[in-house]
Formats: sequence, C-alpha cells, structure tokens
Amino acid sequence: AQSVSQHNHHVILSEAASLELGCNYSYGGTVNLFWYVQYPGQHLQLLLKYFSGDPLVKGIKGFEAEFIKSKFSFNLRKPSVQWSDTAEYFCAVMAGSGGSNYKLTFGKGTLLTVNP
Amino acid sequence: DSGVTQTPKHLITATGQRVTLRCSPRSGDLSVYWYQQSLDQGLQFLIQYYNGEERAKGNILERFSAQQFPDLHSELNLSSLELGDSALYFCASSVSGAGTGELFFGEGSRLTVL
Repeated sequence: AQSVSQHNHHVILSEAASLELGCNYSYGGTVNLFWYVQYPGQHLQLLLKYFSGDPLVKGIKGFEAEFIKSKFSFNLRKPSVQWSDTAEYFCAVMAGSGGSNYKLTFGKGTLLTVNP
Repeated sequence: DSGVTQTPKHLITATGQRVTLRCSPRSGDLSVYWYQQSLDQGLQFLIQYYNGEERAKGNILERFSAQQFPDLHSELNLSSLELGDSALYFCASSVSGAGTGELFFGEGSRLTVL
C-alpha cells in the first residue's frame, strides 16, 4: 500500500521568503502525485498534480513541484511567499492507472504560516 | 465553492449514539469519497463509491457504513460512537472513478462525541 510522508509539521516564514515543503512517498509502481491546499476555514483544493511527462509541474498561485523518481519525492516550492499563502498543504499519492483502486492517500499535512 | 455540499456542518453527540452524514457531489460527478481527518491520524481514506457501487475501501471501521443513492448523493453512517470518532469528516467527488486524481472536497462535517 502507498504511504506519504511530509517532513515538516509547521513552517513559519516571513513574506518574500522562499518555500520548499518536502514530500516523500512509498510505492513501488507508477504513481500520480498531488498537492492540495486548505486555506483557513475552507475546503481542500487542488494546487497541482503530476501524472507523467515533465517532472517539473506548475500549479496555481506561483507554486511548482518537482517529481524526482529516484528519491520518491515530490517537493513543493514557491520562490516568494505571501501572507495569503498561509494554509495547510497536503501531499497525496494515487497508485497508477488501470486498476480499480483509486484511493488518494494523503500525508499528514504541513501548516504554513507566513508573517507579514 | 467546490460544488460539494455536506450536512450537517457541526454535530455534537454522545458515546454510543448513531449519526448520519450526508454528501451531495458536484453536478455530473459519479464518484464520492469519504475521508476522516483527525489531529493524530491526518486525512484517512474511508471509502469510495462510483455510480452507486462501492469502488474502494480504506480504513473504515465496521461500525461505519456508507452508501451512494441513485441520485448520487451519499451518506456515511457512524454507529456505537466512541470518543475517538471525534473528527472532521470530508466528502469529495470526482467525475469518474478512474484516476484523474482531482477530487473536489466539501467543507466537512465536524463530529464531536462527548
């Protein structure tokens, strides 16, 4: 079964600082990878996703993530954070296509606090 | 607004009781997923339905059950409630049961068991 590990429980940054949130997954086969974000008091929403092709994927609001297969990693980055990026970020993995099991397995989340 | 509607938003009940959480998926979405979010366990996948049929099962307790109705709304039934069942229960929907991966989440139902 797949699992996801997010290294940081809580990250605190000042505005304009660069962000990198770590995510590692455990699964031997093909995976689809995702980052979801949950702003305070709101529902989870998709930030970006990787299925195949270019391992550097760009998402909404200036976020990007890089899939490094050899390291089983899918780290989230943003060059310059804003106060409005304060939220909880979840990395998720879905086992590859073609099967019947499409459950999305989430990491425990990283709370990002951006101070103005 | 994701288009996924969950009711009730908050629910307080006692141990041993039974509750039903309801989810209406986005218009046109055939798959419904249930997740439990707690501080210690994070987001745990419970179960998925696709067009009325169970598609995948996760860490769902035997005291919990779910179903998806012909109009595609879903209900999660939690019985013999324990203190540890206190959590935020999310419903999500997607267009198909096949791994596009983009799930649209509701705002959750917060269950407190006293």
